[in-house]
Amino acid sequence: SAVISQKPSRDICQRGTSLTIQCQVDSQVTMMFWYRQQPGQSLTLIATANQGSEATYESGFVIDKFPISRPNLTFSTLTVSNMSPEDSSIYLCSVDDRLGEQFFGPGTRLTVL
Amino acid sequence: AQTVTQSQPEMSVQEAETVTLSCTYDTSESNYYLFWYKQPPSRQMILVIRQEAYKQQNATENRFSVNFQKAAKSFSLKISDSQLGDTAMYFCAFMKPLTGSQGNLIFGKGTKLSVKP
Repeated sequence: SAVISQKPSRDICQRGTSLTIQCQVDSQVTMMFWYRQQPGQSLTLIATANQGSEATYESGFVIDKFPISRPNLTFSTLTVSNMSPEDSSIYLCSVDDRLGEQFFGPGTRLTVL
Repeated sequence: AQTVTQSQPEMSVQEAETVTLSCTYDTSESNYYLFWYKQPPSRQMILVIRQEAYKQQNATENRFSVNFQKAAKSFSLKISDSQLGDTAMYFCAFMKPLTGSQGNLIFGKGTKLSVKP
């Protein structure tokens, strides 16, 4: 299984600021996914990031708010822009191992004051 | 659009007993994958078990097994010999492959399982 790390593990931010979350995988993967888990809720897909192409966003999520980069096959970033308290969530990245199994990073717990 | 429903927000079981978590889904697809993930308080999402829709045989992983009823669109998880470390949120998830066997996951709302000593 892929080993995935995320930075930072947690952060407390002021409203109106932006935070960039990094996701690093120990092997090359085609597809990476970013999910949001609001407090006490399930996971919701934000976007799918393929290397060399624009990320594909799900309904309710826009690039201006959640810009994503995917510069190579082992790395991706998600930025949460112009944050508000409603953005307080756990943000998780995941990868697919091409065998139909998805593995998740440890998550980034974001609190916006 | 696909949906995943977990009708049991919370469940509890005595240590060493067996518990079954329910999951139903709605899809018009014929090729898909189903998963159970475990999320302990550490918040790490851990893959418990996976089922390919085209396989009739139910998946098993040690103490974890599923009852996959494709016609009924049901995918329940059975945990045998429950252990205190099984205490966690359990999420049922559906995946329609986008390319090959890769695709994004659609999650149910989760079932909070407590294993009591």
